Amino acid sequence: QKEVEQDPGPLSVPEGAIVSLNCTYSNSAFQYFMWYRQYSRKGPELLMYTYSSGNKEDGRFTAQVDKSSKYISLFIRDSQPSDSATYLCAMELIFGTGTRLQVFP
Amino acid sequence: ETGVTQTPRHLVMGMTNKKSLKCEQHLGHNAMYWYKQSAKKPLELMFVYSLEERVENNSVPSRFSPECPNSSHLFLHLHTLQPEDSALYLCASSQDVGGPGIEQFFGPGTRLTVL
Repeated sequence: QKEVEQDPGPLSVPEGAIVSLNCTYSNSAFQYFMWYRQYSRKGPELLMYTYSSGNKEDGRFTAQVDKSSKYISLFIRDSQPSDSATYLCAMELIFGTGTRLQVFP
Repeated sequence: ETGVTQTPRHLVMGMTNKKSLKCEQHLGHNAMYWYKQSAKKPLELMFVYSLEERVENNSVPSRFSPECPNSSHLFLHLHTLQPEDSALYLCASSQDVGGPGIEQFFGPGTRLTVL
């Protein structure tokens, strides 16, 4: 079993849609959970950072962590074409494969 | 310069060459990392340095040799690489290796092609 599982996509949605991205993990010791966004030919940039279980909201982005289910989610409201990128989940230093998101006008 | 910088951005080398990748962080962080990113694979953590001391080496072949002369600079020395080593090599830094300062800041990467 991989330490982190993430659907690679691609996920294609129309502008304005609500996007849900998810990861599962196997190590219950993880305490810190991150989402990174990576545009083509760029390095990943930190998008959201959450400690332990719960929700965190920042503008159009909401991160959720459910430690009991070992499941984390990233929601993007009112998605924009500029959100088209690869989204990587990370449990401390362990990354998922990334989900490629395309938002079309 | 701000954030994390990497040079060169692109590198093409033969299997017998020796080259080095350079990373510099301007964030005052204590930890630095090298990752390998290949298509359709998760980021692979290669090396971790905390306050210039290597704290993790994830079974990386000896043809990759890291060097951390101070907390702001990190190098990856390459020699006798294989074509399967072609990838994007990312450098990152964080305030600390563990705990609440673990969120990482990445450089733009070096796109390496081994012929």
